[in-house]
Amino acid sequence: AQSVTQLGSHVSVSEGALVLLRCNYSSSVPPYLFWYVQYPNQGLQLLLKYTTGATLVKGINGFEAEFKKSETSFHLTKPSAHMSDAAEYFCAVSLSIGTDSWGKFQFGAGTQVVVTP
Amino acid sequence: NAGVTQTPKFRILKIGQSMTLQCTQDMNHNYMYWYRQDPGMGLKLIYYSVGAGITDKGEVPNGYNVSRSTTEDFPLRLELAAPSQTSVYFCASSRLASSSYEQYFGPGTRLTVT
Repeated sequence: AQSVTQLGSHVSVSEGALVLLRCNYSSSVPPYLFWYVQYPNQGLQLLLKYTTGATLVKGINGFEAEFKKSETSFHLTKPSAHMSDAAEYFCAVSLSIGTDSWGKFQFGAGTQVVVTP
Repeated sequence: NAGVTQTPKFRILKIGQSMTLQCTQDMNHNYMYWYRQDPGMGLKLIYYSVGAGITDKGEVPNGYNVSRSTTEDFPLRLELAAPSQTSVYFCASSRLASSSYEQYFGPGTRLTVT
């Protein structure tokens, strides 16, 4: 079975500062990894995903994440925060085809990002 | 292309009442899911379906039922509502092809049981 841990339920960043959200996973096989964003009173929207290939993946709104197998991590970063980045962010993991968890997604508890002027 | 739609957006139920949360997707996705979201807890999988006529339990299925008679629709039934079912419910769908392995979410249904 897979699991996801997001470090920090709340993160406060200044406008223009680096955004760093941490995600660690546990999985017995190579995982598929995702970051989703949720704006108030809305559903989740995909920011980026890693399935195979290049370990540094770029997503929408200037976000990127790097899959580090040795550290079992998939941290999300953005060089310069905007006020519009204020939202809740979820890391999720799923397992590849051929496993009994194929098609299931495990979500972290979420990190609320506050951006201050 | 509307994506994933959910109705209603809001609902207040009395303890013991029943209701059905509707979910429809127009992307011809084979996989569909129901999650509940509680503050600080992330999303918990209630039920999922890999295609019409096939459903399976997730982490927290007690108190809920589902059916999948068509590819498009995946309703969630609450029988005998309890205050513990107060939550925001999200429906999602996915095609789960190697080129498109992600979930698309509906806008959610906010349910209060009093």
